[in-house]
Order: sequence, then C-alpha cells, then structure tokens
Amino acid sequence: RKEVEQDPGPFNVPEGATVAFNCTYSNSASQSFFWYRQDCRKEPKLLMSVYSSGNEDGRFTAQLNRASQYISLLIRDSKLSDSATYLCVVNRNTGGFKTIFGAGTRLFVKA
Amino acid sequence: NAGVTQTPKFRVLKTGQSMTLLCAQDMNHEYMYWYRQDPGMGLRLIHYSVGEGTTAKGEVPDGYNVSRLKKQNFLLGLESAAPSQTSVYFCATEAPGLAEETQYFGPGTRLLVL
Repeated sequence: RKEVEQDPGPFNVPEGATVAFNCTYSNSASQSFFWYRQDCRKEPKLLMSVYSSGNEDGRFTAQLNRASQYISLLIRDSKLSDSATYLCVVNRNTGGFKTIFGAGTRLFVKA
Repeated sequence: NAGVTQTPKFRVLKTGQSMTLLCAQDMNHEYMYWYRQDPGMGLRLIHYSVGEGTTAKGEVPDGYNVSRLKKQNFLLGLESAAPSQTSVYFCATEAPGLAEETQYFGPGTRLLVL
C-alpha cells in the first residue's frame, strides 16, 4: 500500500462545476500537508497548505481530517485553467527524508 | 532571480552511457532534492542533501550518484544508463524552518534511454 494515495482520475467536469479530491495517508506521524498543482509537462507548484482548521483561498478549500487520515481539496466554479494534475503531499516527522508525494489526480475542465 | 534551473532540458542516451544532470539554485536554500516522475508513480525521491557537502539516499537511489560540493548546485549522475531510467527528473529546493515548508521545483529534465 502506498503511503499517500489519491484517486488518479481523470475527473472530467464542465466549467462552473464543483469538484472534490480526496487523499489518504497511512503514516500517523505525518505533520503537515499540502496540495500542489502540476500542469502538463511542467513542474509541480504549491497550491495551498492544509491546516487542521481547514483553509480557503478563493475558489479552493482544503480540509484535513487527522482522525481518518485524509485530506481533501474542493474546487468551486471550475475554470478551464484549473485543468491540471493535483498532487497531495505529506510531510512526516520520522527519520530520513520526510516529504511524500501522491501520484496525483488529473482534472479536465471542459467548456 | 532564476530560482531553480536544470540542465539539460532533454537528453537521449544509449544503454551504458553516462551523464550528469545539473541543478542550480539562487535562493540560498539549504535542502535540495532529486526526484524522478513516472506515469502512475508520482514523484519518487532519488537522493537529497541537507547542506553543502552532505548527501543521503532517498526512496530509489540505485543506479544514481549525487554530489553537493557547492550550496547552490546539486548534481545527479548516471554512471551506466539503463532503459528503466527513462523518466522525467525534477530537482527541488527547500528552506527548512519556514512555516510553509514549500519545495520549489526546477522545470525538469526529460531523459530517454534507448
């Protein structure tokens, strides 16, 4: 089982739709959580951090459920420009390297 | 500021050839990472460095070597390339201790091993 798991999709949604992605992690020592965005043939870039209290940035809302060990990303009023792969990222506080990337969820927003 | 740059952008190798990928950063970040990204596998850590002169193995280090002689540069070497090393290679940097703990990625190097 992978330490960070995501539904690979693809999610195909029309413009204006609301779409939600979930991510589960298996290491209870995980401390911090992020969503990165990766456009086709480009490098990943930080989209937003995920806090225990939840956080919102415009049309994007991230939630963390430590008890169930999952993270979610909600995108409201989808735009064509939201088409990308969304990577769930977990930092754990156990020895060695600490950052684990999920394989990503692909989103296609269509006109 | 260039941020994180990678050289070359694309390379084709024959099995058994060697090459070095260069990652350079001008952000004065302590940590640097080399990842490979394959379809359906996500980013997997090859090697990393927490400071000049230090390196450590990541998740998939076999077949690769690294060096961090200068803080701003992190080199990834393939001594004898194999088709299984066909991938997209990303370098990333991080400044430890910052609240965001964000990694900043270079544009990637696409490697094809025939």
